[in-house]
Amino acid sequence: KAGVTQTPRYLIKTRGQQVTLSCSPISGHRSVSWYQQTPGQGLQFLFEYFSETQRNKGNFPGRFSGRQFSNSRSEMNVSTLELGDSALYLCASSLAMGSGANVLTFGAGSRLTVL
Amino acid sequence: GENVEQHPSTLSVQEGDSAVIKCTYSDSASNYFPWYKQELGKRPQLIIDIRSNVGEKKDQRIAVTLNKTAKHFSLHITETQPEDSAVYFCAAYTGGFKTIFGAGTRLFVKA
Repeated sequence: KAGVTQTPRYLIKTRGQQVTLSCSPISGHRSVSWYQQTPGQGLQFLFEYFSETQRNKGNFPGRFSGRQFSNSRSEMNVSTLELGDSALYLCASSLAMGSGANVLTFGAGSRLTVL
Repeated sequence: GENVEQHPSTLSVQEGDSAVIKCTYSDSASNYFPWYKQELGKRPQLIIDIRSNVGEKKDQRIAVTLNKTAKHFSLHITETQPEDSAVYFCAAYTGGFKTIFGAGTRLFVKA
């Protein structure tokens, strides 16, 4: 079956602009999580969505937002871009079976460069 | 808040030697501990995981151990090969729909 698909793969923006990234999860996966990856910082949790509801959020400013659609596809938006927002944004989908294992399957990521 | 510390940040071993990566978590409610491998330019992929009711799990050359009392868990790779070179991330899941990752360990296996 198809994996997790993220678009666009690469994008360049300038400070002050906004950006929208898209993530299509594996068919049947209803949970989508977003992570920011920067060198030396590992994977920083942004937020998680399930059935169109944000169930958890990381420690990022309000400029970072997201949403999930009824088909489980998710988007994240970053407004008023700053140089420090340059990163690889990864989304991951999972079955989210509640307690117990939460196996994440990652997309290839969207690499954002802010100039 | 929840935190996962991972050591070392860089590890260099000779082919055939063993490699050990250690992690510590802060949230005692954490009940699932996966390990992901990220090769250069690729996405992280799950290589092994362990649940809180298990102390050790092995899969061929890799094994994970968990000490719930000390909130420590470790990844052990034996008979390392050049293709093991990658960044390894430990993580902890509390059941609150949030997986927290360590900062990663860059493993170099020298042929």
